[in-house]
This record gives sequence, structure tokens and C-alpha cells, in this order.
Amino acid sequence: KAGVTQTPRYLIKTRGQQVTLSCSPISGHRSVSWYQQTPGQGLQFLFEYFSETQRNKGNFPGRFSGRQFSNSRSEMNVSTLELGDSALYLCASRQGFQVEAFFGQGTRLTVV
Amino acid sequence: AQSVTQPDIHITVSEGASLELRCNYSYGATPYLFWYVQSPGQGLQLLLKYFSGDTLVQGIKGFEAEFKRSQSSFNLRKPSVHWSDAAEYFCAVGAIDAGNMLTFGGGTRLMVKP
Repeated sequence: KAGVTQTPRYLIKTRGQQVTLSCSPISGHRSVSWYQQTPGQGLQFLFEYFSETQRNKGNFPGRFSGRQFSNSRSEMNVSTLELGDSALYLCASRQGFQVEAFFGQGTRLTVV
Repeated sequence: AQSVTQPDIHITVSEGASLELRCNYSYGATPYLFWYVQSPGQGLQLLLKYFSGDTLVQGIKGFEAEFKRSQSSFNLRKPSVHWSDAAEYFCAVGAIDAGNMLTFGGGTRLMVKP
């Protein structure tokens, strides 16, 4: 069974631009969560989607948004990029309402 | 709200020595507890989990962890460390009433001396 797939693996963007990251969960998993990992703040929860609905949201500004499609694939969008948005963005998938989460390899975003 | 503390930022052990990584959590009810490992530039791999039942849980790669409710701890152990175990280790707590959100500790970076 294929794992969680995140694309692209690496991105370099300029301040003020926007970016879209993609996540394909494990087959059969309907929940997708996003986390930001930085050296200073560690791993922080962004949001979770289940059956195309946002189920939970972390403490991030509105520039961070997401969506989930009917095939459970999810995208995360960051608008008006700031230098501080440079991070590893991790996607995790979960089966139904279980707490156990499986992570992808992440997308390394660098904002210059 | 739940929280996780990993008191040791860095730990260095010799290959073949035993290992214990500490994790303390704060949560009002019985938590779901996890240990993840992350190699440089990679995602998180689940090592083991505790939901209920036996307080000593076995995971992959020879790791085990013990849940101690009285101490609010979930320490990770391995009897004999291999050089390939060098990585960063994260303890996490999850709760259904928190929307299944995982709260992570700050991580412990493990270095293995030959």
C-alpha cells in the first residue's frame, strides 16, 4: 500500500508570492492533517480535513488555507508569503476517526 | 489543552549502549501517546503508540515505551543502540476530543558514537 505522497518535495518562492502544496493520503484514508515544522517553533498543527470539510484548525493566520477533494487528496495554500513561512510542511493521513497518523516526506518551502 | 515536554534536546550514546528518551505529557484524560522518528530532511515515521491496555508497548526497530500514568510519562527505550538510530525523536499526544490533533514535544536529537 502506498504511503502518504507530498508534492513537490522542494520549493523556493519569493516574498509576497503564493504557494500551493499537495498531499495524497494513504488509500482508504479520509482524514488529512497539515503540520508546519520549523527549528524555532517545532511541529505545529495547521488544520485537518475529513470528507472535504475542515474539522479542526490550529492557530495560524488566514493566509494559510486548505481544501480537500472528493478523492481525499488535499492541498494547502499560503498567500502573501513571508520569510517566516520557510519551513517543512508535513501532511498526515488517518483512517476515519482514529488518532494514529501516518506522515508524508514533507515539502521543504524556502521563502527568499 | 494538552502539552508534551521532552527534557533532553540532545543525547549522545555509544553504539551498543542502552537508550532512554524522556517524555512527559499533560492531558486531563487518558491520552493517546506516540513516538515518531525523523531522519534529516525526511518525514515522521511512527515507532510505536499507546492507546490503552498493557502499559509497556513494543514498536518497530527494537524500540519500546512504557506509559506511567502516575508520572505522566511515556519514555522510549532501546536496549542496544545501532548507528542507524541516529535521528530526531518526537513524542506526541493526541486526543479525540481535540479533533485528533497531535501535539508534539520539541524533539530529542540522538547522536550515536562508534
